[in-house]
Amino acid sequence: GAGVSQSPSNKVTEKGKDVELRCDPISGHTALYWYRQSLGQGLEFLIYFQGNSAPDKSGLPSDRFSAERTGGSVSTLTIQRTQQEDSAVYLCASSPGQGNTGELFFGEGSRLTVL
Amino acid sequence: AQSVAQPEDQVNVAEGNPLTVKCTYSVSGNPYLFWYVQYPNRGLQFLLKYITGDNLVKGSYGFEAEFNKSQTSFHLKKPSALVSDSALYFCAVRSEGRALTFGSGTRLQVQP
Repeated sequence: GAGVSQSPSNKVTEKGKDVELRCDPISGHTALYWYRQSLGQGLEFLIYFQGNSAPDKSGLPSDRFSAERTGGSVSTLTIQRTQQEDSAVYLCASSPGQGNTGELFFGEGSRLTVL
Repeated sequence: AQSVAQPEDQVNVAEGNPLTVKCTYSVSGNPYLFWYVQYPNRGLQFLLKYITGDNLVKGSYGFEAEFNKSQTSFHLKKPSALVSDSALYFCAVRSEGRALTFGSGTRLQVQP
């Protein structure tokens, strides 16, 4: 596609429910990132996929968070047993994978509200 | 470890005046530095980057940034601000093999 696509754009859920957020990166981009942006805050790194390498999961805040990337393309971020503090905008980005020098292309984000 | 500091939550400037948004970083090894902008209800957009070479890099919309290794800074600048430049600006850094780390953001408000 023309850009990074994320779905859903908005998700309202009840505390304790599981949610899945989807990211469709730009075709051919080998690197994929998930970030979280809380209201008025900066971007918090969650997880980073680069090609076939093991993902960098160092930013995941708890074991309730997990992500996978199937076939080197689409990624799903799963949050189990959601809590109110999980409410945020979840941003996905992809990069052509030019080592460390390529810029990231961001999606519009998925806004998660946990009631 | 790597980190970015944006010491100003908000910068106010009059239209037509020069603007500076400050950023300092900490990283092991060579830094790769980026600026991104987030307009209201929009995704983040890439502005410019420093990888190597000339310390002054030019980017989109007339913005530029100066890499200063001794001060570990990468301040964003524009000679003449526009009202349409009002947005949230993020500085980011990465080093070899690491994901991009963002600062907390600086809100730029340009008054007519």
